[in-house]
Amino acid sequence: AQTVTQSQPEMSVQEAETVTLSCTYDTSESDYYLFWYKQPPSRQMILVIRQEAYKQQNATENRFSVNFQKAAKSFSLKISDSQLGDAAMYFCAYRSFSGNTPLVFGKGTRLSVIA
Amino acid sequence: DAGVTQSPTHLIKTRGQQVTLRCSPKSGHDTVSWYQQALGQGPQFIFQYYEEEERQRGNFPDRFSGHQYPNYSSELNVNALLLGDSALYLCASSLVLFTDTQYFGPGTRLTVL
Repeated sequence: AQTVTQSQPEMSVQEAETVTLSCTYDTSESDYYLFWYKQPPSRQMILVIRQEAYKQQNATENRFSVNFQKAAKSFSLKISDSQLGDAAMYFCAYRSFSGNTPLVFGKGTRLSVIA
Repeated sequence: DAGVTQSPTHLIKTRGQQVTLRCSPKSGHDTVSWYQQALGQGPQFIFQYYEEEERQRGNFPDRFSGHQYPNYSSELNVNALLLGDSALYLCASSLVLFTDTQYFGPGTRLTVL
């Protein structure tokens, strides 16, 4: 079974600075998807970014980018020019590429943004 | 474009009672998945509905059951509530089982006293 580990329960960053959230995963599969979801106090899980394992290029969405290291099974999220609205829980998630399988989530990292 | 909606927002029940939570998928989506998120944890998969049938199930007891209607909306039922069932219940919708990215609703906070 796949597992996702987020080793940083809490992180903080100064407004306008850059922060990196870590995620590692364990799988024997070669094709899969990886996701970062943001969960603000409103509780709604919002998709931040998605990476297909077969793509070597790291995904980027505006101020959010990932560092995907397939051999190391590492998938970190970098937030540039942090804003107060970025404060939230961030969850890393894994899904198999083939078959009908659900998302497997890590325990999350709580990000605080300091003004 | 209507996103995923869930009702109610909050719910308080006592042990032994039964509860029904509701979800309407994002417009154009036909698959609904339910997740349980305990305090301080990541969401855990309960089950998935597609074409009005349960297609996948996580490691949850039979007290957890569901239903999907022809308009793709879904219900999650929990019988014989336990204190440990207190959690945020999230509904996620996608197109065609899990092949598409899942989009989440705001969740229902269930408190069991």
